[in-house]
Amino acid sequence: GNSVTQMEGPVTLSEEAFLTINCTYTATGYPSLFWYVQYPGEGLQLLLKATKADDKGSNKGFEATYRKETTSFHLEKGSVQVSDSAVYFCALSALNTGGFKTIFGAGTRLFVKA
Amino acid sequence: NAGVTQTPKFRVLKTGQSMTLLCAQDMNHEYMYWYRQDPGMGLRLIHYSVGEGTTAKGEVPDGYNVSRLKKQNFLLGLESAAPSQTSVYFCASSRTGENTEAFFGQGTRLTVV
Repeated sequence: GNSVTQMEGPVTLSEEAFLTINCTYTATGYPSLFWYVQYPGEGLQLLLKATKADDKGSNKGFEATYRKETTSFHLEKGSVQVSDSAVYFCALSALNTGGFKTIFGAGTRLFVKA
Repeated sequence: NAGVTQTPKFRVLKTGQSMTLLCAQDMNHEYMYWYRQDPGMGLRLIHYSVGEGTTAKGEVPDGYNVSRLKKQNFLLGLESAAPSQTSVYFCASSRTGENTEAFFGQGTRLTVV
């Protein structure tokens, strides 16, 4: 079945450090890929998405490229801020027998120190 | 500008009690979902619906039932609560299932004692 695997956290970085959170997926067909972010006490909100191979999603300085050959969608940011501290979820949307379903990874908690 | 609204926000149940969680969306979305979030396990799909009057099982459906009698509402029921159902529950909706963003509610923290 479809699945998403992302690196375990927590990840602790100093402000202005480079961020990479790895995400790989298993899916039949051609899924759409997403990164969601969850701030403390809130629901998830979409950070960025890519719908086909080689697409790059970007938002708020974060980027991720849909790599079909390596089935990956790694999240990167060149210079993190304290306000980026949150839990990040990689997700895919793919067709199943009951329709499209969105499947999430386990989440990676990011702490950014001032 | 409500989006997705879940009620209640917090609840404590005794083992064996029943309850219903309500999710309402005002975006005219076709798809609605119920997830549970547990430490170290991310979000796991319980049930989902691809339109009014339809429901389908997700990854962890046992012990839960759902109904989608109206397009804007998606109810999650626990008939006989168990401590293993202690979790944070999130409802989400999306315009369609493919390529589209899912919008989440604020979550319901349920404790079963």
